[in-house]
Amino acid sequence: DQQVKQNSPSLSVQEGRISILNCDYTNSMFDYFLWYKKYPAEGPTFLISISSIKDKNEDGRFTVFLNKSAKHLSLHIVPSQPGDSAVYFCAASKMGAGSYQLTFGKGTKLSVIP
Amino acid sequence: EAGVTQFPSHSVIEKGQTVTLRCDPISGHDNLYWYRRVMGKEIKFLLHFVKESKQDESGMPNNRFLAERTGGTYSTLKVQPAELEDSGVYFCASSQRVTNTEAFFGQGTRLTVV
Repeated sequence: DQQVKQNSPSLSVQEGRISILNCDYTNSMFDYFLWYKKYPAEGPTFLISISSIKDKNEDGRFTVFLNKSAKHLSLHIVPSQPGDSAVYFCAASKMGAGSYQLTFGKGTKLSVIP
Repeated sequence: EAGVTQFPSHSVIEKGQTVTLRCDPISGHDNLYWYRRVMGKEIKFLLHFVKESKQDESGMPNNRFLAERTGGTYSTLKVQPAELEDSGVYFCASSQRVTNTEAFFGQGTRLTVV
């Protein structure tokens, strides 16, 4: 019973174009969502987050969109750069940013082609 | 400042043996978390320490797993006896406050049980 789903295991995008990574969740109790970036042989690194009271959060080239009714969120990277090539994990938690227990998706491997 | 350090980076053991994983959190971080990623699956929460106390061990798979954090500094995760399904990457994370957006992950320990 996977509660956070990333249905695309991989994604390839040309440098300079937009990368869109998608994530779906099933548990309506989740109220805080995060994206992590992971390079090989390293641990996940926090990228950006969004509370369920918002529908968009932007930080530089990274924007996360949340559609609560569809239980769907997406991460947009514009413009994509070769250094963005990594595995991206979507994660969710209950009780907001103060919650420590994260539920992760399986990850999407992004390859940005120069 | 040193990040979260995990040791060893890779361990290969035979089924039935014992393995101990170690995590050194960032200095001053009272909160320490263990997560595990089994091959092809999502990263899953195992447990949470606040200083030396276990706050939540709801994610521990069974009693073959024992986590300790003596003195509230480094933590160990012992698997005894190891089974084939225990293979995966074990991540440790730490934070100063109980908040997932500020948790820093270590590089992980890849455990292979043969």
